[in-house]
Amino acid sequence: DTAVSQTPKYLVTQMGNDKSIKCEQNLGHDTMYWYKQDSKKFLKIMFSYNNKELIINETVPNRFSPKSPDKAHLNLHINSLELGDSAVYFCASSPLTSGGVLTQYFGPGTRLLVL
Amino acid sequence: TQLLEQSPQFLSIQEGENLTVYCNSSSVFSSLQWYRQEPGEGPVLLVTVVTGGEVKKLKRLTFQFGDARKDSSLHITAAQPGDTGLYLCAGATGTASKLTFGTGTRLQVTL
Repeated sequence: DTAVSQTPKYLVTQMGNDKSIKCEQNLGHDTMYWYKQDSKKFLKIMFSYNNKELIINETVPNRFSPKSPDKAHLNLHINSLELGDSAVYFCASSPLTSGGVLTQYFGPGTRLLVL
Repeated sequence: TQLLEQSPQFLSIQEGENLTVYCNSSSVFSSLQWYRQEPGEGPVLLVTVVTGGEVKKLKRLTFQFGDARKDSSLHITAAQPGDTGLYLCAGATGTASKLTFGTGTRLQVTL
């Protein structure tokens, strides 16, 4: 059974288009995240939701809008796509833990290429 | 801004060799994790260390958390081609609800 799934796996689109990436987790976790991994493999957090509530919003252009319809889903909508948005986008989820331990369970990634 | 610097950035070795990857920061972390990411997949957790000076072993992999909880190392003994991948350290602070990931180390082990 897939724990964290993302669709689509590949996304090729033109500059200026609007696109969405979907994420679902069946682990029963309360917290979900979106990360962006650039061409140098640096993984940076974009957003985090806890039980449908936005708790982390890093310095991300407001063309990126996350939406969590329920705690098992976290979608990412991107408006007016730019060349620099090309990257791999990872969804992750994390259970409630104590003591600052935040184990992330990652999806397989969505490879976005903006032409 | 917390920054986790990993070294080396790239490492290409032959099967059977030993290697160490370092993860350094000027910040103190409440816990530190190591992940491995294979091509085309998401990172997968290898280990979590929470106590300064802690050492954990996972088969041929040995992880150490620095005494001051600012740095960590990953040592692989007798590397195998299956160890090939991107190794990422990630730190969490006590009150933060996010992980800061390191700059990554790409390891290639050849026959």
